[in-house]
Amino acid sequence: KQEVTQIPAALSVPEGENLVLNCSFTDSAIYNLQWFRQDPGKGLTSLLLIQSSQREQTSGRLNASLDKSSGRSTLYIAASQPGDSATYLCAVDYYGGATNKLIFGTGTLLAVQP
Amino acid sequence: DAGITQSPRHKVTETGTPVTLRCHQTENHRYMYWYRQDPGHGLRLIHYSYGVKDTDKGEVSDGYSVSRSKTEDFLLTLESATSSQTSVYFCAISGGQGVETQYFGPGTRLLVL
Repeated sequence: KQEVTQIPAALSVPEGENLVLNCSFTDSAIYNLQWFRQDPGKGLTSLLLIQSSQREQTSGRLNASLDKSSGRSTLYIAASQPGDSATYLCAVDYYGGATNKLIFGTGTLLAVQP
Repeated sequence: DAGITQSPRHKVTETGTPVTLRCHQTENHRYMYWYRQDPGHGLRLIHYSYGVKDTDKGEVSDGYSVSRSKTEDFLLTLESATSSQTSVYFCAISGGQGVETQYFGPGTRLLVL
């Protein structure tokens, strides 16, 4: 059974710090990996999508990397801000094609202290 | 933001009663999904649809049924609600044009007493 794990479950950092969130998956035969953000009481918002042939994707202060061979992805947030406080979830597509069925990790709750 | 609405946003019901949740999209996307989110489990796929009247099961489909009679609407029915179905339910959509992300609705918080 494919599993996606995120460690730590919660993280608190001071404003301005660079930080890394981790995601690991049990089966390296993935089609893509996605990072989402979820604010309290809200739905998920897509941040970055990395296809299996790619090693990383960047958007503003966010950089996501993918290492299929080791079953790991990291989300790097530069110069963190209080507005970055949210739950970050990674999700893996093991099925491919247009179906886009995702398996989600349980998330990392990030708190950025002003 | 993608045009996705869910109704109701909050619902309290009693064990044994049927419950229907509605997801409505204005994006004309082909794929629609229902997930549930529970502490310690993340999001888990219940059912998904790949077109009008075309649906398939996800990871946790027992006790749930779905219907899609129009492109824009995807209904999730709890045939006889149980306390284990207390959860937050999210609808998502994607265009089905290859590798792309999903867009999520705001969620429905369901409490089964």
